[in-house]
Amino acid sequence: AQSVAQPEDQVNVAEGNPLTVKCTYSVSGNPYLFWYVQYPNRGLQFLLKYITGDNLVKGSYGFEAEFNKSQTSFHLKKPSALVSDSALYFCAVRDDNFNKFYFGSGTKLNVKP
Amino acid sequence: NAGVTQTPKFQVLKTGQSMTLQCAQDMNHNSMYWYRQDPGMGLRLIYYSASEGTTDKGEVPNGYNVSRLNKREFSLRLESAAPSQTSVYFCASRRQGSGNTIYFGEGSWLTVV
Repeated sequence: AQSVAQPEDQVNVAEGNPLTVKCTYSVSGNPYLFWYVQYPNRGLQFLLKYITGDNLVKGSYGFEAEFNKSQTSFHLKKPSALVSDSALYFCAVRDDNFNKFYFGSGTKLNVKP
Repeated sequence: NAGVTQTPKFQVLKTGQSMTLQCAQDMNHNSMYWYRQDPGMGLRLIYYSASEGTTDKGEVPNGYNVSRLNKREFSLRLESAAPSQTSVYFCASRRQGSGNTIYFGEGSWLTVV
């Protein structure tokens, strides 16, 4: 069965510092991995995805994610955090049958000025 | 540029009442989804529809029914609402293709008292 885990409920970082939001996954086949961001009272917005190829994936708003097959991880990163990055972040994995997406429990990112 | 539109945005129901959440997408996507979001539990799939005319159960289908009315519309019905169904509901859609991502609506806040 496919699943993702986000081990941190909350991540706190100072503005200007690098940030990392962790995600580990479990899939039976090739992993298709995604990151989404949710601002208060809004739907989820797509940030980036890993399908195949380069292990470092670049996405929206300066975010990137590193795929590590041996550690089954797909951590979200940004070199320099902004206060406006404060939001809820979800990691997701796609099911083998292409149609189901499984989401992690979410990590709240707090960026302090 | 509407994307995925959900109605209503907010609803309060009494236990035992029924209601239908409406969802429509204008992106010509084949697949549509209903998720619920609860604190600390991330998003859980209720039902999905891989294409017009088909529907399948997700992780938490009990107490819900769905209808894929046409390619654009996918409704979620609560026949007899229970307090445990208090949640935020998200509709989403996706174009066929292994690497394609999901696009979400803005959410429907449902409270069952």
